[in-house]
Amino acid sequence: EVQLVESGGGLVKPGGSLRLSCAASGFTFSSYNMNWVRQAPGQGLDWVSAIRGSGTSVYYADSLKGRFTISRDNAKNSVFLEINSLRVEDTAVYYCAREVPAAAQDGYYYFIDVWGEGTTVTVSS
Amino acid sequence: SSELTQDPAVSVALGQTVKITCQGDSLRSYYVSWYQQKPGQAPLLVIYGKTNRPSEIPDRFSGFSSGNTASLTITGAQAEDEADYYCNSRDSSGKRVFGGGTKLTVL
Repeated sequence: EVQLVESGGGLVKPGGSLRLSCAASGFTFSSYNMNWVRQAPGQGLDWVSAIRGSGTSVYYADSLKGRFTISRDNAKNSVFLEINSLRVEDTAVYYCAREVPAAAQDGYYYFIDVWGEGTTVTVSS
Repeated sequence: SSELTQDPAVSVALGQTVKITCQGDSLRSYYVSWYQQKPGQAPLLVIYGKTNRPSEIPDRFSGFSSGNTASLTITGAQAEDEADYYCNSRDSSGKRVFGGGTKLTVL
């Protein structure tokens, strides 16, 4: 069974840092791109970052570049999200999500097929 | 632009058909996927690659995409379909993007 389990969330003061982790199981982890998606209370889904299976390419939402760092350890089947200089507006549930490739007429496309249950980050003084 | 636009809320009578739309320039070039999210739960994939449906999703869910508009149609909406629905795609730089979400109410 494919499973993603996030951890590392909690209550942090503004300006602090956190490192979120996502432990994957049930699939060949290194073969898949991984994403982080967040959802502020009462708000919609907000894509944060993605990393290719090899770890060689990373992507960030423009509004978040600079404070967020995504990384992975394929030997430990884990992906991480480090967040620095936390702001109140970073308060959200952070989801880890797997991205899978699918064949198309002109190549491949990718979509998120599995989500973790999320870890809650609260930034407050 | 990599933005995806959805109507904030849509309602449908029980057993009737409803269409949820998503608009954005990126849809002209990249495939869309759709997610259902119920309160307190993680999102669930319902449509991918414009029209494909995971095996566990009921066949009353269908997708379509043309030009800059994608749609998710529920034919014969059930009470359990009441949820938030999000479209998702990407842009040319590899960044992913979600629509703002549509809250579906089944009357």
